[in-house]
Amino acid sequence: KQEVTQIPAALSVPEGENLVLNCSFTDSAIYNLQWFRQDPGKGLTSLLLIQSSQREQTSGRLNASLDKSSGRSTLYIAASQPGDSATYLCAVPDYKLSFGAGTTVTVRA
Amino acid sequence: GAVVSQHPSRVICKSGTSVKIECRSLDFQATTMFWYRQFPKQSLMLMATSNEGSKATYEQGVEKDKFLINHASLTLSTLTVTSAHPEDSSFYICSADREGTYEQYFGPGTRLTVT
Repeated sequence: KQEVTQIPAALSVPEGENLVLNCSFTDSAIYNLQWFRQDPGKGLTSLLLIQSSQREQTSGRLNASLDKSSGRSTLYIAASQPGDSATYLCAVPDYKLSFGAGTTVTVRA
Repeated sequence: GAVVSQHPSRVICKSGTSVKIECRSLDFQATTMFWYRQFPKQSLMLMATSNEGSKATYEQGVEKDKFLINHASLTLSTLTVTSAHPEDSSFYICSADREGTYEQYFGPGTRLTVT
């Protein structure tokens, strides 16, 4: 059974600082890994999807890396802004999508 | 592309009544759709997986007679909460697996309040 862990559970940084969010998974035989953002009371927005054959994926200020052998992925958010405040979830597909508990980010103006 | 909609976004119903929530993939076909429940400040909990034209597969502990799922077409799945009780109040989110990929797209969620 795939288990996904996210550290830290919460993070508070001043505006402009870079964010580093960690995700680990127990079964390295994954098809891909997705990072999502969830705002309070809203659904999930897909941020990045990394295929198992890829080592990283970039979109704007976001960069996600994947190390299958060690069962880790890291989401980097450069030059954080207050609008980046949200909960960030990583997930890997098994027969279902296994989610981490999320990292709640607060960016202080 | 790859938009998933849910309707309604919010619903309030009285205890004992039934509520139907729709999940639609607007611009792609989804062979598989998923229904999640989320409690405040917790992650998503998978309730069931539905495949077009077949019975849904429910996760352990989820009452299939209470949470009826129908996946009648490649773009529509419905979740009906029957005989709703206040403890069914929650945020329900659906997602759809784009045919031929392992990428899931999520709907905006439905806030159900049972009074």
